[in-house]
Amino acid sequence: SQKIEQNSEALNIQEGKTATLTCNYTNYSPAYLQWYRQDPGRGPVFLLLIRENEKEKRKERLKVTFDTTLKQSLFHITASQPADSATYLCALGESSGGYQKVTFGIGTKLQVIP
Amino acid sequence: GAVVSQHPSRVICKSGTSVKIECRSLDFQATTMFWYRQFPKKSLMLMATSNEGSKATYEQGVEKDKFLINHASLTLSTLTVTSAHPEDSSFYICSGEPGTGYTDTQYFGPGTRLTVL
Repeated sequence: SQKIEQNSEALNIQEGKTATLTCNYTNYSPAYLQWYRQDPGRGPVFLLLIRENEKEKRKERLKVTFDTTLKQSLFHITASQPADSATYLCALGESSGGYQKVTFGIGTKLQVIP
Repeated sequence: GAVVSQHPSRVICKSGTSVKIECRSLDFQATTMFWYRQFPKKSLMLMATSNEGSKATYEQGVEKDKFLINHASLTLSTLTVTSAHPEDSSFYICSGEPGTGYTDTQYFGPGTRLTVL
């Protein structure tokens, strides 16, 4: 069966350190993978998209890697700040019946401790 | 840019009534809009995909007669939960996908918290 797994339900990290979140998937052939941030009671906010033929993407303090052989994406936040505390969702994008279909993982809750 | 609004943000209704949720793309034209549902500590589940002017495509297990979707214009989609029951209580989130040149990226609304008593 298809599965998207994100590492540990919650991740606590000291301010200033690099947070690394993992997204593993099985039985998907994603054309791209996205990372979103979601705050409590709010809709997700798009952060980064990486395509199947890309290995790494960066945006300011964020870095995403995508390994289609391992079926894994890593999401890094460098120099983490308390304001980075949120739930981070990975999402896989596939073509399905002419539409782009995005399936979300359950998310990892990141807590950055001052 | 790429802002999506939803109205209302919260709604409480009695069992058996219908509730309409509006989703608007404020600064772009959303050729495709998506409706999701999210239960506590669960992932977002896609309910349906709609393209402006055509019927929505519903995901397996989602009743199209219960969750009516209208995508009347490139900036507005509505979800009507008909004859709502307590099990329909959830967080409903819409998203819009801009047209050519910005594919593969969805912009989400802030969500609507529905509570059915």
